[in-house]
Amino acid sequence: IAGITQAPTSQILAAGRRMTLRCTQDMRHNAMYWYRQDLGLGLRLIHYSNTAGTTGKGEVPDGYSVSRANTDDFPLTLASAVPSQTSVYFCASSATGAHGYTFGSGTRLTVV
Amino acid sequence: QQPVQSPQAVILREGEDAVINCSSSKALYSVHWYRQKHGEAPVFLMILLKGGEQKGHDKISASFNEKKQQSSLYLTASQLSYSGTYFCGTEYGNEKLTFGTGTRLTIIP
Repeated sequence: IAGITQAPTSQILAAGRRMTLRCTQDMRHNAMYWYRQDLGLGLRLIHYSNTAGTTGKGEVPDGYSVSRANTDDFPLTLASAVPSQTSVYFCASSATGAHGYTFGSGTRLTVV
Repeated sequence: QQPVQSPQAVILREGEDAVINCSSSKALYSVHWYRQKHGEAPVFLMILLKGGEQKGHDKISASFNEKKQQSSLYLTASQLSYSGTYFCGTEYGNEKLTFGTGTRLTIIP
């Protein structure tokens, strides 16, 4: 089934630890995105990539990094996790031009 | 710049209609609408690009005003399956999609 796969589904992480959230799509979409969702704040953009080899910062990029080595994969890394990074993280992708976003099923991350 | 959604929450009886609004202080390139059920990912409903545009499918439709600063989502004869949180997402020029804080819709039998 075409779509986006995120892993892990959920994770409890000790503060200070490094963590990579994985995201893979099989739709050959050029653009990919990472959002975090917090109660009352909606979805906020962390980082994005317009095409393989390029990345950009979103609204809340601090403490996060991304890479886009190929079209399909867009991992999000937390170098040293802090409790404020407790959230649900969604990866999304879209085709070039004015198209809707397809979201992955999310990763629920708790930093303790 | 985050769009403003209203209302924040609404409770309807099955069969009733609802309108959800999404407003911006400046003209938009596009408006997206998504629905998210509890514990699931947001699902794309539709995108509007042109001022004055209206589109929809089944009993869910949306409009984009002429100035491209406001969009409304219309849910007609609501069904239990319509329950969830609805988000509008807005784009300005080359900026990426920015989401509103959502409208929680509850349909009761």
